[in-house]
Amino acid sequence: EVQLVESGGGVVQAGGSLRLACTASAMSVTGTYMSWVRQAPGKGLECVSVIYNNDYTHYKVSVRGRFTISRDSSKNTVFLEMSSLTTDDTAVYYCARNHEPAAGGYFDLWGRGTLVIVSS
Amino acid sequence: YELTQPPSVSVSPGQTANITCSGDKLGGRFACWYHQKPGQSPELLIFQTTKRPSGVPERFSGSSSAHTATLTITETQPSDEADYYCQAWDVLTPWVFGGGTRLTVL
Repeated sequence: EVQLVESGGGVVQAGGSLRLACTASAMSVTGTYMSWVRQAPGKGLECVSVIYNNDYTHYKVSVRGRFTISRDSSKNTVFLEMSSLTTDDTAVYYCARNHEPAAGGYFDLWGRGTLVIVSS
Repeated sequence: YELTQPPSVSVSPGQTANITCSGDKLGGRFACWYHQKPGQSPELLIFQTTKRPSGVPERFSGSSSAHTATLTITETQPSDEADYYCQAWDVLTPWVFGGGTRLTVL
């Protein structure tokens, strides 16, 4: 079964760091677009970061310089390194596979999410 | 680039629900739709404005006009109650989502 499983969430103090991981099964995280999409409590979805099939990376403005997306083909895993965290970063973070912009950039596979709580 | 959805839509069981998503020249872009039930991850319902992934019932369909994309759900069931999100891609605001619409079936 094709699936994405996130890990690494937890409670961290403001200003701290956390590394999220997304491990894929029955699919490869290389050669495809992979993303992190977050959802703050009671709020909507927002795309935080995308790594393109050619390893170009995109970040939402509010996380640029603080978050880093990467992937490890040997582990078939995508990572999101988060630093200088603020309470505004509190959210469920979903890993998702998405498609190229020319195709509409839609997300066709989602993980169950991992909760990040930043305490003040 | 912004996508605007109504916060809520109500429909009676068996009736048709239409959920709109407005954005500048959205009709000229690909739009997609997701639903998210409480405590669950989002799921793709419609991609490239009108296409359904395998496994999505034909009751769900998508369309668009100049500045609006529409998700139509026919023969609405109580199990269709969920939050619905549209999404599109823009060069200045890549991978943008609408604010979401809560569908209530009553």
